[in-house]
Amino acid sequence: SQQGEEDPQALSIQEGENATMNCSYKTSINNLQWYRQNSGRGLVHLILIRSNEREKHSGRLRVTLDTSKKSSSLLITASRAADTASYFCAYLANQAGTALIFGKGTTLSVSS
Amino acid sequence: KAGVTQTPRYLIKTRGQQVTLSCSPISGHRSVSWYQQTPGQGLQFLFEYFSETQRNKGNFPGRFSGRQFSNSRSEMNVSTLELGDSALYLCASRGSLESYEQYFGPGTRLTVT
Repeated sequence: SQQGEEDPQALSIQEGENATMNCSYKTSINNLQWYRQNSGRGLVHLILIRSNEREKHSGRLRVTLDTSKKSSSLLITASRAADTASYFCAYLANQAGTALIFGKGTTLSVSS
Repeated sequence: KAGVTQTPRYLIKTRGQQVTLSCSPISGHRSVSWYQQTPGQGLQFLFEYFSETQRNKGNFPGRFSGRQFSNSRSEMNVSTLELGDSALYLCASRGSLESYEQYFGPGTRLTVT
């Protein structure tokens, strides 16, 4: 399976703390994306990092990509209760054409 | 712009029946993809349509089919429903084939009894 793996599967933190989620993938990629899903609803695109980039920031989000290790991490700084959701990495594998391949996701719970 | 809409939002069907789900992409978006989400398998790609043509298909049986109309609206059909087809079906659109970001609808929750 080309499906990515995410770690940890679940994460519980307090408001104000940072949350780090990791994603590993199995094939060469053009880019890697992170999506958020609130309680079984649709996914929302958060950020995209291209294969020639090592780090990217967007607001409280910081994404890193290490193509030699086939891994990426998503850091959410100063977490808020509204950040409670599931987070998925997704990538467009060269061999898979236009299909996004998703990781299993990390469920983040932020308590106030 | 209005977002991606999916109808119906919830559906209960019996084994052996068939079902049709509908997706309207963001205005101007010509690419529509469908995904199945289950607790066991996670998010899995079903197929993508662009300008009424299927461009890519995931590893699903032939019971799963789709189509896209000239206005870019898409439908997905599942025939001879099985219990394992119970899932959240998500539709996503993107502005062009060169655009990687996908915009997802709220999904259709299908329950097969």
